[in-house]
Amino acid sequence: GAGVSQSPSNKVTEKGKDVELRCDPISGHTALYWYRQSLGQGLEFLIYFQGNSAPDKSGLPSDRFSAERTGGSVSTLTIQRTQQEDSAVYLCASSLGAGGSYEQFFGPGTRLTVL
Amino acid sequence: GENVEQHPSTLSVQEGDSAVIKCTYSDSASNYFPWYKQELGKRPQLIIDIRSNVGEKKDQRIAVTLNKTAKHFSLHITETQPEDSAVYFCAASKIPSRQLTFGSGTQLTVLP
Repeated sequence: GAGVSQSPSNKVTEKGKDVELRCDPISGHTALYWYRQSLGQGLEFLIYFQGNSAPDKSGLPSDRFSAERTGGSVSTLTIQRTQQEDSAVYLCASSLGAGGSYEQFFGPGTRLTVL
Repeated sequence: GENVEQHPSTLSVQEGDSAVIKCTYSDSASNYFPWYKQELGKRPQLIIDIRSNVGEKKDQRIAVTLNKTAKHFSLHITETQPEDSAVYFCAASKIPSRQLTFGSGTQLTVLP
């Protein structure tokens, strides 16, 4: 079956512009996560959605970052007024969620470059 | 919050030798410890995981050990092959919160 998909694969934007990144999780996965991976670094947790529960936003680095998940499936991560330090690969992952396997399946990522 | 430290940052081994990567965590409530492999330009993929109710888990050439008292866990790869070359990340989580805190990664190079 299809894995986690993300779009766009690459995004180049100018400082100060807003960007939207999209994630399509594996069908049937109720848990969805966003992580950020800076060059040569580990993955940094951003936000976690589980079913219809309120998302865990504890990892969002500033109020310029927000995310939503519509209909319990597709998620969009929005970064407003982008800064150069926002340049990174943004990875989405999904898992079966409550009561299921803990394994998180990652998408290919969106490489964001802020000029 | 949780902090995960990973060592070494780079590791080179000869093909056929063993490789060991170590991680420590700070939150004693963490109870789930996965290891991910990320090949260049690819997405991270789970290779093995362990829960805090066991001390060791093996899957063919890969094993993970956990010492809850010392709050550290290790990845062991035996009979390394060139295709094992990749960046390996450890992580820790508190089930059921599920968000993963990752280590900074180890670049493993297996020399033919």
